[in-house]
Amino acid sequence: GDSVTQMEGPVTLSEEAFLTINCTYTATGYPSLFWYVQYPGEGLQLLLKATKADDKGSNKGFEATYRKETTSFHLEKGSVQVSDSAVYFCAPGSSYGKLTFGQGTILTVHP
Amino acid sequence: DVKVTQSSRYLVKRTGEKVFLECVQDMDHENMFWYRQDPGLGLRLIYFSYDVKMKEKGDIPEGYSVSREKKERFSLILESASTNQTSMYLCASSFTPSGLEAFFGQGTRLTVV
Repeated sequence: GDSVTQMEGPVTLSEEAFLTINCTYTATGYPSLFWYVQYPGEGLQLLLKATKADDKGSNKGFEATYRKETTSFHLEKGSVQVSDSAVYFCAPGSSYGKLTFGQGTILTVHP
Repeated sequence: DVKVTQSSRYLVKRTGEKVFLECVQDMDHENMFWYRQDPGLGLRLIYFSYDVKMKEKGDIPEGYSVSREKKERFSLILESASTNQTSMYLCASSFTPSGLEAFFGQGTRLTVV
């Protein structure tokens, strides 16, 4: 079945630092790829997505590019803020909208 | 605004009790899901449903069952709660095309004592 390997956390950064969270996956075919974010005490919400190879998803300053050749979908942000502190999940999608999640990466941003 | 609503944010139940977790969505989505979230394990799929009265097992269905009598409602049932079912439970819904996102509820933190 599908599987996801995410960068181990927790990740601690100072405000305005550059962020990379690595994500690689194994899946049948060419799935859509998603990054979800979970703020403290809340459910998951979609951060960004890409539906085919070389697509770049972007939202709120975050970006990720669908790399078919390396089966990766790394999340990046040029300048993080304290409000970005959350748990980030990478997930390929499959039939019926099922998602396979990585273990999540906890990000803490200090002022 | 789209909404997936879970009936409880926090629940405390006793070992052996039958537990019902309810989820309602207002987006007319065909698909609904129950995931379990545990630290270090991410989210794991328990069951999903792609139509009324239709269901399929996910990765960890043991000890759980589900019910979908109406399109908007998907219930997770713990037949006989055990302490190893203490966890955060998240419901989600989506349209069928896999390129479309899933929407999540706020989660139910269940403690079995």
